[in-house]
Amino acid sequence: AQKITQTQPGMFVQEKEAVTLDCTYDTSDPSYGLFWYKQPSSGEMIFLIYQGSYDQQNATEGRYSLNFQKARKSANLVISASQLGDSAMYFCAMSRYSTLTFGKGTMLLVSP
Amino acid sequence: DAMVIQNPRYQVTQFGKPVTLSCSQTLNHNVMYWYQQKSSQAPKLLFHYYDKDFNNEADTPDNFQSRRPNTSFCFLDIRSPGLGDAAMYLCATSKEGGVKTEAFFGQGTRLTVV
Repeated sequence: AQKITQTQPGMFVQEKEAVTLDCTYDTSDPSYGLFWYKQPSSGEMIFLIYQGSYDQQNATEGRYSLNFQKARKSANLVISASQLGDSAMYFCAMSRYSTLTFGKGTMLLVSP
Repeated sequence: DAMVIQNPRYQVTQFGKPVTLSCSQTLNHNVMYWYQQKSSQAPKLLFHYYDKDFNNEADTPDNFQSRRPNTSFCFLDIRSPGLGDAAMYLCATSKEGGVKTEAFFGQGTRLTVV
C-alpha cells in the first residue's frame, strides 16, 4: 500500500523568504509519480509540480522546486521568494496507475 | 476558463434525502475521479472512471454511487446522506492513466447535511 506523510501541520514564512515543505512516502512500486498541489481557501486543487521516480534531475517550475531524495523516500517542496498569495494548504501526493494518494497537507502562512 | 466545473458550489441537504452532485469537463479527458475531503483531512478517492470502466475503492460506502453518461459529465449520488458525509467533494480529470497522471480539479462542492 502507498502512504504519504506530511509532518508539518503548519508553517510560517515571511514574504520573500524561501520555505521547505516536507513530504515522505512509502511504496513498493518501482514506478511512481510524486506531485504537489496547492489548495487555497476557495477549495480548488492547483497542480504545482511533478517528479517521476525515474527522473534523474529534480523538477523545477518557476518558484517551485522539488527536492527528490529517492533513497530517503522524500520529496520536499521548496518555494523560493514567498509571496502573500502563496498562503494556502499544500498537499503532497503519489500516483499509482491512474490514481493519487494524498498526504494530510501543510498549511502555509506567508506574512508581510 | 474553467475546465472542470462542479455544480453546485454549495449544497445543503437533509439527513437521509438523496442528493446528486455534478461535474463536467471541457478537456475531453478519459479519466474522471471523485474525491471526498473532510475538514482538515486529505482528499480521499471514492471512485474513478477510465472511459466507461468504473473503479470503486474498496472502502467506499455503498451509500455512494456514480454515473458517467458521457465523456463530459460525471455524477456523484449519495443515496441517504448522513451527518458524517458532510465534506468537500472534489471532481478531477486526467487525460490518461499512468504514473504521470496529472489531475485537473474542479472547485469542489461543499456538502452540508442538516
